[in-house]
Amino acid sequence: NAGVTQTPKFQVLKTGQSMTLQCAQDMNHNSMYWYRQDPGMGLRLIYYSASEGTTDKGEVPNGYNVSRLNKREFSLRLESAAPSQTSVYFCASSETGQPTDTQYFGPGTRLTVL
Amino acid sequence: SQKIEQNSEALNIQEGKTATLTCNYTNYSPAYLQWYRQDPGRGPVFLLLIRENEKEKRKERLKVTFDTTLKQSLFHITASQPADSATYLCAPRRSGGYQKVTFGTGTKLQVIP
Repeated sequence: NAGVTQTPKFQVLKTGQSMTLQCAQDMNHNSMYWYRQDPGMGLRLIYYSASEGTTDKGEVPNGYNVSRLNKREFSLRLESAAPSQTSVYFCASSETGQPTDTQYFGPGTRLTVL
Repeated sequence: SQKIEQNSEALNIQEGKTATLTCNYTNYSPAYLQWYRQDPGRGPVFLLLIRENEKEKRKERLKVTFDTTLKQSLFHITASQPADSATYLCAPRRSGGYQKVTFGTGTKLQVIP
């Protein structure tokens, strides 16, 4: 089992460019999440997908879009990157989305926007 | 507004001693509280879950307490080792599914040999 995988590992963008961060899990989990982590701010939820076909906004959704392509895959898109989106992005999954669930995290994508 | 606070300053402790990390929350009534460990350059990894009706939970050298009156959880590592050096995140959870407030900012623990 690979668990949660993310691509790419590193990315540098110029302001205004777009990109999609990919995430996949092989644990047959229903719920998937995208977080960003910034120094002093901790992990902040960007978007959440309770199950295939549904997505919901998290704490900091502005400037991002998501797609739950199927049960395995959940992508995060930056349409027009801004320097404020420089961060480390983590994808996570959990079995049911209930508060007792363990969240399993990917290795992260380090994004720099110049 | 809801707030989760962990000591943002690093905690340095001598090997063999007990490390105690604090998680305080305000404007919030969680029914569960999770603790995660994060190593540099990696995603967080789940350690323990404690429920509001459990005052204490143990797993090997780890102990977690949950005081709903004080709105606080304490995370203890006994007989600490240099391999315990990492950032530890708390995650209070209300009952009932998805919540926007998720993780505390984490406390960095450094165990000195």
